[in-house]
Amino acid sequence: DIQMTQSPSTLSASVGDRVTITCRASQSLSNWLAWYQQKPGEAPKLLIYTTSTLESGVPSRFSGSGYGTEFSLTISSLQPDDLATYHCLQYFTWPLSFGSGTKVEIK
Amino acid sequence: QLQLQESGPGLVKPWETLSLTCSVSGGSIDTNNYSWGWVRQPPGKGLEWIVNAYHDGTTYYKPSLKSRVTISLDTSKNQFSLKLASVTAADTAVYFCTKYYLRSGRALDIWGQGTMVTVSS
Repeated sequence: DIQMTQSPSTLSASVGDRVTITCRASQSLSNWLAWYQQKPGEAPKLLIYTTSTLESGVPSRFSGSGYGTEFSLTISSLQPDDLATYHCLQYFTWPLSFGSGTKVEIK
Repeated sequence: QLQLQESGPGLVKPWETLSLTCSVSGGSIDTNNYSWGWVRQPPGKGLEWIVNAYHDGTTYYKPSLKSRVTISLDTSKNQFSLKLASVTAADTAVYFCTKYYLRSGRALDIWGQGTMVTVSS
């Protein structure tokens, strides 16, 4: 099974800051990596798939990069609405596996 | 727009079977373009993938849960269900039903709102 290591677990930043979240896979995923945003009390929402493709309607301040075993999600200018927990998901192979999540707080 | 909605008991006794249903609207489950599955999230913790199934019967399980999990698709009702046997407190979680659309690359692209299940006597 593929293990996903996500960091940091918590991130506190100011409005307008650039923030980056990282996921590392225990083996190569090619580009089969997705990112989800989960606001408190809500279901996760797909933000990015195949490493860097923005889901329709997602603001352009979100971007994804990486390949193989190292991936990152970047918010170029943090907004108050971005307060949420972010999860990575590998879907290169079954069983699917998520990272442990990163809670983004606004200073 | 396809939508998913979970339903089922919010409280299950230890060692009994948890049973949840996901009703699908705005599209049919009678297709092998997608697979249908379940993800759970214990209180204050991360997401855990459980199982996915295609219409042709192909099914994938989280290995540690495989012996206790059953997923079934009911095309006549356009819904699918999860059964988790012999539950313990560790199975207390919000359970989400999901649609998996690999052909588009979009992975788990549609989620239900989630339903909280507590295991307690």
